[in-house]
Amino acid sequence: AQSVTQPDIHITVSEGASLELRCNYSYGATPYLFWYVQSPGQGLQLLLKYFSGDTLVQGIKGFEAEFKRSQSSFNLRKPSVHWSDAAEYFCAVVGSGGSNYKLTFGKGTLLTVNP
Amino acid sequence: GAGVSQSPRYKVTKRGQDVALRCDPISGHVSLYWYRQALGQGPEFLTYFNYEAQQDKSGLPNDRFSAERPEGSISTLTIQRTEQRDSAMYRCASSAPYNEQFFGPGTRLTVL
Repeated sequence: AQSVTQPDIHITVSEGASLELRCNYSYGATPYLFWYVQSPGQGLQLLLKYFSGDTLVQGIKGFEAEFKRSQSSFNLRKPSVHWSDAAEYFCAVVGSGGSNYKLTFGKGTLLTVNP
Repeated sequence: GAGVSQSPRYKVTKRGQDVALRCDPISGHVSLYWYRQALGQGPEFLTYFNYEAQQDKSGLPNDRFSAERPEGSISTLTIQRTEQRDSAMYRCASSAPYNEQFFGPGTRLTVL
């Protein structure tokens, strides 16, 4: 069964600083990977996705993520964080074979942005 | 266009009562999913519909939980005889086939 680990429960950065949120997955084949963001009172919004091809994917709001098969990682990055980026971030992987619709999420990383 | 909508947004009920949570997917999305998210956790899969057919209900925790999507559009998740451990955020998502899932705002259920 697939699994996702987000090692950092809570990260605090200063506005304007760079950001990297870590995500490691366990999966037997080529995964489909996603990053979602959850703001208070809002639903989960898709930031970016990796299905195949270029391992560096660009998303909305200036985010990018890099798929590294050798490290089983899909880390999310942003060069300069804005106060509005404060939210909870979830990495997710889609299941295998006949269950390629079932998203498995990590536990999330809460991002605090200091002024 | 309109996104996924869920109602009610908040539901407080007493232990032992039944609750029905509604999901209205994005128009044209044939796939619909229910997830449950406990505090401090990521969402966990409950069930999946393709059109009106419930293709996978392996994530439903027990037989007090059921879901339906009779006309292939709106879906209802029903919890019978609610217990305090059922308190959570219930999230619905929809998608086109083999495409990314779009989530609604969720229903926060509190069982007293």
